[in-house]
Amino acid sequence: DAGVIQSPRHEVTEMGQEVTLRCKPISGHDYLFWYRQTMMRGLELLIYFNNNVPIDDSGMPEDRFSAKMPNASFSTLKIQPSEPRDSAVYFCASSPDRGIEAFFGQGTRLTVV
Amino acid sequence: AQKITQTQPGMFVQEKEAVTLDCTYDTSDQSYGLFWYKQPSSGEMIFLIYQGSYDEQNATEGRYSLNFQKARKSANLVISASQLGDSAMYFCAMRERENTDKLIFGTGTRLQVFP
Repeated sequence: DAGVIQSPRHEVTEMGQEVTLRCKPISGHDYLFWYRQTMMRGLELLIYFNNNVPIDDSGMPEDRFSAKMPNASFSTLKIQPSEPRDSAVYFCASSPDRGIEAFFGQGTRLTVV
Repeated sequence: AQKITQTQPGMFVQEKEAVTLDCTYDTSDQSYGLFWYKQPSSGEMIFLIYQGSYDEQNATEGRYSLNFQKARKSANLVISASQLGDSAMYFCAMRERENTDKLIFGTGTRLQVFP
């Protein structure tokens, strides 16, 4: 298996633009997590899904952030409109079962100018 | 309230020596899992070791071992025979299994191994 695949790896966008980050989890994994990593706040859990259903989105910072998982092999995290303070590395991770370790993608480095 | 606490922002260790990275956690669940991840400067998150709350033996994976003290709610990572390639950020994480199934992380410890 190719592991968790995220795209793009790097994204530079202007303030106010819409940004969509993509994630393909490992096949057969029922859980999918989105994290944001910054120097100031560390690794924050934004939202996670179980069997394509959002279970907890309490970490989503604002209404500008939204996440979907239309099927078991694809998820998106959208920011609209983007702001400079959204600049961070966004990780997607998946796991096969509760209580088991999560496998991370390579991350998307987002820069909003 | 912080559920995972890593009190050491940075640690130094000489090559070939052992080092302990501290982690304490807070949960009311009886069933949970504890994890350590490594993040080298390249940025990827690498899973190192796992300890289940009902596991009686401390977990070991090669040079990594987890010193699990349930009553103290601590899950320290011990790296034996440190290597230069061990220089990285290390994150402790917890996954509760009863009321929620989040995987949450501590703030991390930056380990630097010197020759």
